[in-house]
Amino acid sequence: SQTIHQWPATLVQPVGSPLSLECTVEGTSNPNLYWYRQAAGRGLQLLFYSVGIGQISSEVPQNLSASRPQDRQFILSSKKLLLSDSGFYLCAWSRLPPIAGPSYEQYFGPGTRLTVT
Amino acid sequence: AQTVTQSQPEMSVQEAETVTLSCTYDTSESDYYLFWYKQPPSRQMILVIRQEAYKQQNATENRFSVNFQKAAKSFSLKISDSQLGDAAMYFCAYAYSGAGSYQLTFGKGTKLSVIP
Repeated sequence: SQTIHQWPATLVQPVGSPLSLECTVEGTSNPNLYWYRQAAGRGLQLLFYSVGIGQISSEVPQNLSASRPQDRQFILSSKKLLLSDSGFYLCAWSRLPPIAGPSYEQYFGPGTRLTVT
Repeated sequence: AQTVTQSQPEMSVQEAETVTLSCTYDTSESDYYLFWYKQPPSRQMILVIRQEAYKQQNATENRFSVNFQKAAKSFSLKISDSQLGDAAMYFCAYAYSGAGSYQLTFGKGTKLSVIP
């Protein structure tokens, strides 16, 4: 079965410090990978998605960047955090086209709660 | 662009009763998928149920069922025999397989409270 891991679970960082959040998926290959942010009391905002190693698409201009150094590893980074970067960050994966599965749902990790002080 | 609207920010239901959460969406596509996700206090998103647009039959998963009205672009979730563990945020989501990315578009969510 497939599992998705995220770490750290909780992070408190000062403004201006760097950030690195990691997400790994087990039990599948060539997944699509996604980073979402959820602000308090709000829905999910897609930040980045990746359809393969080194292939990153950004949905919104921001202070963050993403990388996919390995097939099942997705990293969210920032060189200098802003107060507005606080939130709950969720990583997700999905299968490739229908030949690999019948549906397009995404499976989410447990999330990272980031507080920028 | 596709949009998903959940018009009920909060709802409550008595334990063992039935509740329906509403969702409407806007798309010009004919082939797509719709989902309901549950986000309990732990905040991990859990898939509750999916519906393929090409299927006329409404999906069901145990106590959860949907009412899919394609022409009206409506996708409501019915929870029967509500349990305390059903208390959570519920998000409706839409997926179209454009651009090879299979992105999900989420609604803003409905917070469901279950009253003992």
